[in-house]
Amino acid sequence: GAVVSQHPSWVICKSGTSVKIECRSLDFQATTMFWYRQFPKQSLMLMATSNEGSKATYEQGVEKDKFLINHASLTLSTLTVTSAHPEDSSFYICSARDNQRDHNEQFFGPGTRLTVL
Amino acid sequence: GQNIDQPTEMTATEGAIVQINCTYQTSGFNGLFWYQQHAGEAPTFLSYNVLDGLEEKGRFSSFLSRSKGYSYLLLKELQMKDSASYLCAVMDSNYQLIWGAGTKLIIKP
Repeated sequence: GAVVSQHPSWVICKSGTSVKIECRSLDFQATTMFWYRQFPKQSLMLMATSNEGSKATYEQGVEKDKFLINHASLTLSTLTVTSAHPEDSSFYICSARDNQRDHNEQFFGPGTRLTVL
Repeated sequence: GQNIDQPTEMTATEGAIVQINCTYQTSGFNGLFWYQQHAGEAPTFLSYNVLDGLEEKGRFSSFLSRSKGYSYLLLKELQMKDSASYLCAVMDSNYQLIWGAGTKLIIKP
């Protein structure tokens, strides 16, 4: 149990285009999902916390107008990178918190590798 | 500020034992997690400690001392597939995970 999927697994796009990444909890409900970014050889950087039915909470330095987050249901959160630029190329990982578990464990999706040309 | 420290890189021999340390300073404490991350993949959960002591799970064990702000991950009978980064993360008072930079573990034959 506690499987999280992400789609797409990888995407290559031209500079200036927008890219949408989906994160789904497949066998549990997640009122809270998290979006991370990871550059090569660096640790996970939390970008935002996505709450079902309300606005996402963004970390300092993350532009909310550039990284649009929508958590429309208890099993789906989406991250849209608007007007992507080469510096946005990174590994984007989502995680979902299973509130039914005792220690609020986060389960990670497989990640989406974004390359902006 | 909040801080998680762990060694950047460690090297060990196949079949041996290795201990990866993690020290932390956070706003509140709701548990400490260890995750394994292979290159190009997302992290996978290894262990969770919220009380002092040792949690054993197969070849992997994790220890916590809250008074010292210290944890370690112990890997026994190392296998080549254990070559990965090991991430220490602390859940703070807001139930947010604070991540260490990760320890890259290199296993040699």
